[in-house]
Amino acid sequence: NAGVTQTPKFQVLKTGQSMTLQCAQDMNHNSMYWYRQDPGMGLRLIYYSASEGTTDKGEVPNGYNVSRLNKREFSLRLESAAPSQTSVYFCASNTGYSNQPQHFGDGTRLSIL
Amino acid sequence: QQQVKQSPQSLIVQKGGIPIINCAYENTAFDYFPWYQQFPGKGPALLIAIRPDVSEKKEGRFTISFNKSAKQFSLHIMDSQPGDSATYFCAASKGGGADGLTFGKGTHLIIQP
Repeated sequence: NAGVTQTPKFQVLKTGQSMTLQCAQDMNHNSMYWYRQDPGMGLRLIYYSASEGTTDKGEVPNGYNVSRLNKREFSLRLESAAPSQTSVYFCASNTGYSNQPQHFGDGTRLSIL
Repeated sequence: QQQVKQSPQSLIVQKGGIPIINCAYENTAFDYFPWYQQFPGKGPALLIAIRPDVSEKKEGRFTISFNKSAKQFSLHIMDSQPGDSATYFCAASKGGGADGLTFGKGTHLIIQP
């Protein structure tokens, strides 16, 4: 049982390049989330999708777009990467019901030069 | 505006000791308070969670204490082991967690043998 799978695991981009981070879950979860983790900052919510066909902004959405492709997949796109977007990106999912744990992938480590 | 404040940033405890990590929140609409454990190179994993109508919750060696009037909650690790060395994050959310989590900045815990 894979849980939440993120691809790629590592990526280096140049400023201005675009990229899509992929996330897939096999737990039949309704809700999916994208967070970024920066040193000393904890995790901050970028976007989330409460159910297939819906997306909402989190705390730090600027510079990102998301697509809930189907119930399993939720992608994060950087249209024009900036050095400030260098971070570790985590995808998570849960059932969407109250008090249920979020299950995290192992992250994508993204460096933008 | 940091909605969940976590302390200390780092903590070193001898094996068998009881590390305590504290968190404070501002938003009284928060109604779900999980703790996550993260090992290097991995995503966060749920450790234990509590709702504000409960003052204490134990799961194995991990205990959450919750003080609703003070808007504070803490994690205690009993009989700590070197394998507990990790980064710990407190978090909070409204609606039981369905809309995403607000994380503290994390505590890097080292348990010395």
